[in-house]
Amino acid sequence: AQKVTQAQTEISVVEKEDVTLDCVYETRDTTYYLFWYKQPPSGELVFLIRRNSFDEQNEISGRYSWNFQKSTSSFNFTITASQVVDSAVYFCALSEAGTGNQFYFGTGTSLTVIP
Amino acid sequence: DVKVTQSSRYLVKRTGEKVFLECVQDMDHENMFWYRQDPGLGLRLIYFSYDVKMKEKGDIPEGYSVSREKKERFSLILESASTNQTSMYLCASSFWGSSNQPQHFGDGTRLSIL
Repeated sequence: AQKVTQAQTEISVVEKEDVTLDCVYETRDTTYYLFWYKQPPSGELVFLIRRNSFDEQNEISGRYSWNFQKSTSSFNFTITASQVVDSAVYFCALSEAGTGNQFYFGTGTSLTVIP
Repeated sequence: DVKVTQSSRYLVKRTGEKVFLECVQDMDHENMFWYRQDPGLGLRLIYFSYDVKMKEKGDIPEGYSVSREKKERFSLILESASTNQTSMYLCASSFWGSSNQPQHFGDGTRLSIL
């Protein structure tokens, strides 16, 4: 069974629009960690944010914000006022306590921002 | 900044060849990982290592082996390359211990098997 689901395969938005990337996870552990990564066309995955299961506070970093809701097992990522440089593939990942830092990745969402 | 370096960005090999993909990290990380990335399938874990000379199978180890003789270096080996191993290969590293450590990735190697 897929532990991390990113149902949106591809999204296109026009520059300056807001966009939300969905991530739904599945785990029986009470302690776990969620991550978002960005993969630009150059290929390298860039770490964006980490959240632990005990901290449901939403986080904002510039135009980026993350909404963590344990009740719905979701960890969604919103980009406000999108820019062309936001075009990339975005991955959500789950790490469960005691697994030695193994990650379960979603299949990714490809975001295209049209100028 | 953590630097994970993969030896080649692009590589073309022939069916049946033995292929080596090299990965080096400079942050003294204990953990190292090899993934392959295919469209629609995301990242799939091939092998990982928690320490020198240690290795663990991931989700798709068939057709691959690994070597970790030094802490900073983790090699992925395709014993006899086949066309279905054409893919993007990504190496990552992280600190050992808690599962809250982010993995740091290299630029990836696009491998084509002809």
